[in-house]
Amino acid sequence: DQQVKQNSPSLSVQEGRISILNCDYTNSMFDYFLWYKKYPAEGPTFLISISSIKDKNEDGRFTVFLNKSAKHLSLHIVPSQPGDSAVYFCAARGRNKLVFGAGTILRVKS
Amino acid sequence: DGGITQSPKYLFRKEGQNVTLSCEQNLNHDAMYWYRQDPGQGLRLIYYSHIVNDFQKGDIAEGYSVSREKKESFPLTVTSAQKNPTAFYLCASSRAPGSYNSPLHFGNGTRLTVT
Repeated sequence: DQQVKQNSPSLSVQEGRISILNCDYTNSMFDYFLWYKKYPAEGPTFLISISSIKDKNEDGRFTVFLNKSAKHLSLHIVPSQPGDSAVYFCAARGRNKLVFGAGTILRVKS
Repeated sequence: DGGITQSPKYLFRKEGQNVTLSCEQNLNHDAMYWYRQDPGQGLRLIYYSHIVNDFQKGDIAEGYSVSREKKESFPLTVTSAQKNPTAFYLCASSRAPGSYNSPLHFGNGTRLTVT
């Protein structure tokens, strides 16, 4: 029972363009959403988050959008840089536990 | 500087042996977690602890055990009862489990291979 789904296993984007990573969830009780970035052989690092009472949060090149009615969130990276190439995990919090999606591999081509 | 240390980075064991993965944090965080990552799957929660001397089962606790005798340490034992122990194991901590401003901080993981 996957409560958090990232349906695109991978995404390839040209340097300088926008990267859009998507995430869908099924549990309406989730109250907080996070994005983590992971390089090979390293642990994930926190990138950006959003509370369920908001619909947008921005931090530099990274913006997270939340559509509660659609149970969908997305991460926008503008402009994309080669160093952004990594695996991106979406996570949702419920009952003080985080549920993670399977991740999306982002490749930014120079 | 503060962080989470997992050791060793790579671990090899024979089937039927128990093995303990180390996790130490000097962030003064109350909560600690163990996750497992398998190809094509998200991180799955094995065990978590919100306070010393207390821990709870996560979604896939069978075949694993933990202890939390000190705030800084949360070792995970993979027992011979775990059917598919080969995986990448991640330890994490957070300041307070219910806090909005308390994302998880992860260690660099231990890759366990059981043959």
